[in-house]
Amino acid sequence: EDKVVQSPLSLVVHEGDTVTLNCSYEVTNFRSLLWYKQEKKAPTFLFMLTSSGIEKKSGRLSSILDKKELFSILNITATQTGDSAIYLCAVERISARQLTFGSGTQLTVLP
Amino acid sequence: EAGVAQSPRYKIIEKRQSVAFWCNPISGHATLYWYQQILGQGPKLLIQFQNNGVVDDSQLPKDRFSAERLKGVDSTLKIQPAKLEDSAVYLCASSKLRGLTEAFFGQGTRLTVV
Repeated sequence: EDKVVQSPLSLVVHEGDTVTLNCSYEVTNFRSLLWYKQEKKAPTFLFMLTSSGIEKKSGRLSSILDKKELFSILNITATQTGDSAIYLCAVERISARQLTFGSGTQLTVLP
Repeated sequence: EAGVAQSPRYKIIEKRQSVAFWCNPISGHATLYWYQQILGQGPKLLIQFQNNGVVDDSQLPKDRFSAERLKGVDSTLKIQPAKLEDSAVYLCASSKLRGLTEAFFGQGTRLTVV
């Protein structure tokens, strides 16, 4: 059974801080790892990672995948209150176009 | 481009009643998913459609849950009869058949069973 474990479960920081969110996984026939941001209800797509060591970047957010050690990190620099959300990590198998999600990290950014 | 549409946004029912949720995916997206997200957990896949065929329903509690996507576009998810533990957000998502595989999610339906 595929497994995705995220840490920490929750995190409280102040604006301007840098945070690192972790995602480790066990999946048969790994295809990709995806990060989503969930505010209120709908998860919104952030990144998809398929290759080790290649950083994906979007503004203050960046992510990298280590396929040897089976983990990914999501970095957010200069955090803002609008970054407060649940960050979900999910993995996809080659054989099935579906996602297995972790439980998420609840990030709270205080002013 | 319009996003994934879901309705209703909220629903409160008593246990043993039935309920139905509707989803309209992004135009041209062949793959449609229904996820259940219980508070404090990540989304869990219930069923996956490719056009109007079921690809995976292994985690769907088939004694009470059913889903269909008759014309390969809209989909409905039904629960009959509902249990207290069905209280959750039900998320619909869609993705393209080919190309990038990220799924785009709707706003979800928050179901409360009392």
